[in-house]
Amino acid sequence: QKEVEQNSGPLSVPEGAIASLNCTYSDRVSQSFFWYRQYSGKSPELIMSIYSNGDKEDGRFTAQLNKASQYVSLLIRDSQPSDSATYLCAVNMLQGGKLIFGQGTELSVKP
Amino acid sequence: DTAVSQTPKYLVTQMGNDKSIKCEQNLGHDTMYWYKQDSKKFLKIMFSYNNKELIINETVPNRFSPKSPDKAHLNLHINSLELGDSAVYFCASSASSGSYNEQFFGPGTRLTVL
Repeated sequence: QKEVEQNSGPLSVPEGAIASLNCTYSDRVSQSFFWYRQYSGKSPELIMSIYSNGDKEDGRFTAQLNKASQYVSLLIRDSQPSDSATYLCAVNMLQGGKLIFGQGTELSVKP
Repeated sequence: DTAVSQTPKYLVTQMGNDKSIKCEQNLGHDTMYWYKQDSKKFLKIMFSYNNKELIINETVPNRFSPKSPDKAHLNLHINSLELGDSAVYFCASSASSGSYNEQFFGPGTRLTVL
């Protein structure tokens, strides 16, 4: 079992729709969770961090965390073509800030 | 101003050569990291330094040797380059090495070994 799993996609949504990106992780003691956006040929850009169960909203982005289910998700409301990118879920494994990344979900927002 | 910078951006070299990649951060962070992103876009940690001390050393060939002259700089030297070393190498930094620290990535160095 992979430590952090994401659907690789591609996930295609129409402009204005809600994009839902999911991630599961294997280590129950993980305490911090991050979503990064990576455009093709660019570096990962941090868009959300979440540490407690529940929802965390930042503009059009909402991160959701359920530690009991070992599940974290990212919702993007009113999706725009500029949101088309690969979204990486990352989980902190406690050891010195070690981040374990999922394989990424490619999102395509169609005009 | 660039927060985490890397040089060079591109590196093309022959098998067997030795090369270095440099990273600098001006965020005042204590912790720096090297990640490797392979052709399938999978991002994997290689090393981490906290205030010049090595704290994470993943299963990486001995040909890879990180060095941190001070907490704002982390370099990566690679000896005897192999075809499989071709990848994008990202440097990152965070305020400290704790669980809740957000990591910020540099622009990456695309290494191509011929």
